[in-house]
Order: sequence, then C-alpha cells, then structure tokens
Amino acid sequence: AQSVTQLDSHVSVSEGTPVLLRCNYSSSYSPSLFWYVQHPNKGLQLLLKYTSAATLVKGINGFEAEFKKSETSFHLTKPSAHMSDAAEYFCVVSSDRGSTLGRLYFGRGTQLTVWP
Amino acid sequence: NAGVTQTPKFQVLKTGQSMTLQCAQDMNHEYMSWYRQDPGMGLRLIHYSVGAGITDQGEVPNGYNVSRSTTEDFPLRLLSAAPSQTSVYFCASSYSGPIQGEQFFGPGTRLTVL
Repeated sequence: AQSVTQLDSHVSVSEGTPVLLRCNYSSSYSPSLFWYVQHPNKGLQLLLKYTSAATLVKGINGFEAEFKKSETSFHLTKPSAHMSDAAEYFCVVSSDRGSTLGRLYFGRGTQLTVWP
Repeated sequence: NAGVTQTPKFQVLKTGQSMTLQCAQDMNHEYMSWYRQDPGMGLRLIHYSVGAGITDQGEVPNGYNVSRSTTEDFPLRLLSAAPSQTSVYFCASSYSGPIQGEQFFGPGTRLTVL
C-alpha cells in the first residue's frame, strides 16, 4: 500500500533563508513521487516529480528534492525563500503497478510561511 | 487554452438535495479525476476516468456518481447531499495517467451542506 507522511504541518522561515519540507513515503512497489504547491484559493500546481531517473530532481521556482530509497524520504528544499513561496505544499506518492495503478496518494500538507 | 474549468465556484446545499459539479478541459486529455480536500487531510481521490465511457472508483466514492460521455467533460453528481460532503472539490486532468503526465487542476468548488 502507498502512503505519505509529511513530518511538519507548518514551517516558518525568514525571507532569504533555506527551506526544508520533509516527506517520508511507504510504497509496495517502485514509487513515483511528486511535490505539488497550492497557493491560497487556487488549484494545485506541480513543482517536480521523481520517476526512477536521477535521484536529485529539480523543479520550478528553484525548488529541488532528493529521493533517498534507504531512508524512504523525498524532502523538498530551496536555498533561499521568497515571499511568493508562502503556500501549502503536498508530497504525493503513486505506484506504477498493482490494483491501485495510477492513483495518487497525498500527504496532509505543509503550510509554509515566509517572514519578511 | 482555458485549461481545467470548474463550475460553480461556491455552492450551499441543504441535506438531501442533489447537484452536479461541472468540470471541463480543453487540452484533449484522456485522464480526468475528482478529488476532495478537507482540512488536514490532503486530497483524496473520489472517481477517475481514463477516457470517454470509462470511469472507476477512487478512495472515497460513496455518495458520488460520475460519467464521461465526452473527452472534455467529467461531471460529479451528488445524489443526496450530506453534511459530511462539505469540502472543496478539485477536478484534474492529464494527457495520460497522473504518473506519466502532469496533472492540471481546476480552481476548485467550495461546497457547504447544511
């Protein structure tokens, strides 16, 4: 079965400081992993995805994530936060096989606040 | 392209009423899906469709029906609304399943059932 745990429900950083949003996953098969961002009163937008290619994945707006199979983690990072990064972030896992083929399983979200 | 559009943006229903949430996409995507978002729960899949005429259940299908008569449209029907269906509903589409292709999300419908 697939599941995702986002380790922090809220993260606060100052503008210009690094961002770390933590995600651990559980998957019976080789996972595909994603990070989505949701700005207030908007739909979700894909930041980046991992699908068994390079373990360090670069996404939009300077975000990147590293897939670590031994730690079952897929943490999202950004070297320097910007005010416009304030949003809710979702870690998502899926599987490429089994009875739940193609389904996405969302974490509960991490609300990122960026202070000026 | 308009992308994924949803109507209405807001809706208030009384318990037992029925309604249809509309979703349309103009990107010729085969895969479409409906999610509900509840506070602290992330998004949960209600129903999905891999093409016109084909639908299947997700994690939380009870109380909802869908149909897919065209590639463009994927309406979600609530047959008898319950307060537990108060939520924000998102429709999404992608060219081929959500793993291979990026999912594009609509702006959401905020539903309150009294």
